[in-house]
Amino acid sequence: DVKVTQSSRYLVKRTGEKVFLECVQDMDHENMFWYRQDPGLGLRLIYFSYDVKMKEKGDIPEGYSVSREKKERFSLILESASTNQTSMYLCASSLPGQGNEKLFFGSGTQLSVL
Amino acid sequence: AQRVTQPEKLLSVFKGAPVELKCNYSYSGSPELFWYVQYSRQRLQLLLRHISRESIKGFTADLNKGETSFHLKKPFAQEEDSAMYYCALRNSGNTPLVFGKGTRLSVIA
Repeated sequence: DVKVTQSSRYLVKRTGEKVFLECVQDMDHENMFWYRQDPGLGLRLIYFSYDVKMKEKGDIPEGYSVSREKKERFSLILESASTNQTSMYLCASSLPGQGNEKLFFGSGTQLSVL
Repeated sequence: AQRVTQPEKLLSVFKGAPVELKCNYSYSGSPELFWYVQYSRQRLQLLLRHISRESIKGFTADLNKGETSFHLKKPFAQEEDSAMYYCALRNSGNTPLVFGKGTRLSVIA
């Protein structure tokens, strides 16, 4: 079974702090994604990556950056956290090509920015 | 631009009643449509995809290109169906899924 692990379940940070959200998958998936999940807004894609050291902006990349130095790890970085970045963050991975519609999600990180 | 619309934020039905979760999409090409589900305290997971034409946990969904819809249906709702449901779309190729805003289904005993 594919395991996507997000390092923290809950995180509380202060405005202006630099925040790292870590995600690791153990099934050698090429594709990795970061979404944020907000009530009434659904899932919105922040960034994605189809290979090591590759990254693409999603629909809402402002205020975020990512790092993919190793295939299994995809990190989301909030350079200077703001209160409007309080949200549930979901990491996901998938195989490329026809298999990529089956996303395997992590359990999520609930980030609160005070 | 691709867009997925789920018009209902919340849908409440009685146990044993039929369920229909609506999903409409806008996309000019040939889309691939999916339903994802998140049960309480569980991870978001794939429920079904239109190309498989499968029935999962009694749910089915038919792609209607004329009406640009992909509604999720179940003839008899069960309490364990209570969850958050997301419709998702992908165009051809290795592109990310676009999700709707989700519908919370509550099945009342």
